[in-house]
Amino acid sequence: ETGVTQTPRHLVMGMTNKKSLKCEQHLGHNAMYWYKQSAKKPLELMFVYNFKEQTENNSVPSRFSPECPNSSHLFLHLHTLQPEDSALYLCASSLTVNTEAFFGQGTRLTVV
Amino acid sequence: GQNIDQPTEMTATEGAIVQINCTYQTSGFNGLFWYQQHAGEAPTFLSYNVLDGLEEKGRFSSFLSRSKGYSYLLLKELQMKDSASYLCAVEDNYGQNFVFGPGTRLSVLP
Repeated sequence: ETGVTQTPRHLVMGMTNKKSLKCEQHLGHNAMYWYKQSAKKPLELMFVYNFKEQTENNSVPSRFSPECPNSSHLFLHLHTLQPEDSALYLCASSLTVNTEAFFGQGTRLTVV
Repeated sequence: GQNIDQPTEMTATEGAIVQINCTYQTSGFNGLFWYQQHAGEAPTFLSYNVLDGLEEKGRFSSFLSRSKGYSYLLLKELQMKDSASYLCAVEDNYGQNFVFGPGTRLSVLP
């Protein structure tokens, strides 16, 4: 138990659906991250929020839309996804952007 | 560009010592992390190096040479539960971007 909670743990959605992934931490961390892990590929950083401000967007398609309403919560809104978006989506948080990150258990997403 | 290399797979025997190497070429450097990831689970933090030298933490040690763009993770007294993927990650000098290596899948055999 790392203190970073992600819901749902599993999600199956159609290409026309809209869904959201949720991440929550009460560790007092100020930086939060979304990562994508596809099979047989390195972990990919998607978005970084520092003190609720988005500071990094690694060329992520607009069908992924992050939201950080406060320093404890992070969302990833999904719409019109493609089958190749099926992956494990990991949320992480850290006290600041250059300290160790704690990961959630991830949401395994399947797009059909 | 950014590039991190690790061996894809390694095998070792229970009770032995194994060294997992990581080489990197990144636009900047603000520290190197090692993570352990068991199949189907999230990565867990193992170590952080920002200065050259060896950092020891129990059975695990991590070494860094910034001039060579090289790090290794040393695992001693291997246990079956150490079977996992080990990820090397570099933080660039902007402090906000992490580049992860492909991971090394370690199998510990009895």
